[in-house]
Amino acid sequence: GENVEQHPSTLSVQEGDSAVIKCTYSDSASNYFPWYKQELGKGPQLIIDIRSNVGEKKDQRIAVTLNKTAKHFSLHITETQPEDSAVYFCAAPLGTGRRALTFGSGTRLQVQP
Amino acid sequence: NAGVMQNPRHLVRRRGQEARLRCSPMKGHSHVYWYRQLPEEGLKFMVYLQKENIIDESGMPKERFSAEFPKEGPSILRIQQVVRGDSAAYFCASSPGQGVGTDTQYFGPGTRLTVL
Repeated sequence: GENVEQHPSTLSVQEGDSAVIKCTYSDSASNYFPWYKQELGKGPQLIIDIRSNVGEKKDQRIAVTLNKTAKHFSLHITETQPEDSAVYFCAAPLGTGRRALTFGSGTRLQVQP
Repeated sequence: NAGVMQNPRHLVRRRGQEARLRCSPMKGHSHVYWYRQLPEEGLKFMVYLQKENIIDESGMPKERFSAEFPKEGPSILRIQQVVRGDSAAYFCASSPGQGVGTDTQYFGPGTRLTVL
């Protein structure tokens, strides 16, 4: 099955700076890569996702890039704000043809005002 | 447009009791997934269901755990004879049954189970 590794585990940035979180995956057949934001005491919130037929997707201050050759995908947050502080998880399908997701171990992002 | 709903939000049980967690998917969604999150850890897949069918239960413990998604009503995750190691946050997600983004999963707020 698929295995997703996420780095770094913690990230502290100054307000206004950019933040980058990277995930690698093992199954070259994986074709869907969502990112979730989880605030304390809440459920994961889908913030952006990318499919394997594109290399980059952007939504306002958030972007995701996918490198299929190297089997990694990254979340980029520009102009960070204190409300971006949360735990971010990357994910990928557990296996070919499967809908269930396997998640990275999470990155705790702290944006310092 | 209501999102995924879960209840109860918090559940306290004593060892040996039963826990029942409920999940109502987003309107128009017919696929439900259950995940478990231990403190300070990521989410682990448990089971994937469609109406009246279990599609993938590869993440479910072999004993004490069961799930259903009846034709009418919410999906239910049932844990019998709970033990302290069952203490965790249990999240439900739903996705559309057809159309664009059928695999996009939206999560509920979770049920936090504490076993005393």
